[in-house]
Amino acid sequence: GDSVTQMEGPVTLSEEAFLTINCTYTATGYPSLFWYVQYPGEGLQLLLKATKADDKGSNKGFEATYRKETTSFHLEKGSVQVSDSAVYFCALTSPIKAAGNKLTFGGGTRVLVKP
Amino acid sequence: DGGITQSPKYLFRKEGQNVTLSCEQNLNHDAMYWYRQDPGQGLRLIYYSQIVNDFQKGDIAEGYSVSREKKESFPLTVTSAQKNPTAFYLCASRIGQGKMRATNEKLFFGSGTQLSVL
Repeated sequence: GDSVTQMEGPVTLSEEAFLTINCTYTATGYPSLFWYVQYPGEGLQLLLKATKADDKGSNKGFEATYRKETTSFHLEKGSVQVSDSAVYFCALTSPIKAAGNKLTFGGGTRVLVKP
Repeated sequence: DGGITQSPKYLFRKEGQNVTLSCEQNLNHDAMYWYRQDPGQGLRLIYYSQIVNDFQKGDIAEGYSVSREKKESFPLTVTSAQKNPTAFYLCASRIGQGKMRATNEKLFFGSGTQLSVL
């Protein structure tokens, strides 16, 4: 079945540092890929998405490129802020209709940015 | 404002008791989902519903039940058969198949319910 693997956290950074969170996936066909962010005590919010190979999703300074050849969707930000402290989830949706468009999530990576 | 509302924010269950978590959305979305989140882990799908009066089991449905009598409501009951119910429960919704390319629609999440066992 489909699966998503993320690097384990926590990731602790200083403000203005470069952030990378690795994400690889296993899926049949060409899934859509997502990054969601969860702030403390809240639900998840969509951060960015990509729907086909070589697409780049971007939002709020974050970027991720859909790499079919390496089955990866790594999240990057060039200069993090304290407000970026959160848990980040990589996820995919199977293109197979029978799968019901369910999202499969990775385990989440906690990011802590210190001033 | 349109959105998805979960209640209560915190819920306590006594042993042998059934409890129901509420999820309401006013986004006119067809599809709704329940996920369970355990500390330090990802989200696991409990149940989902793509249309009113229909729902399917997710990956960890045992010990849970749902209903979808109205489009805007998808309550989750945690039964006494669920032996390890302590977790953060998240409800989500999306427009649904047929309305647009469903695979790239985003999920809208509620703010979650923390369930603990007394």
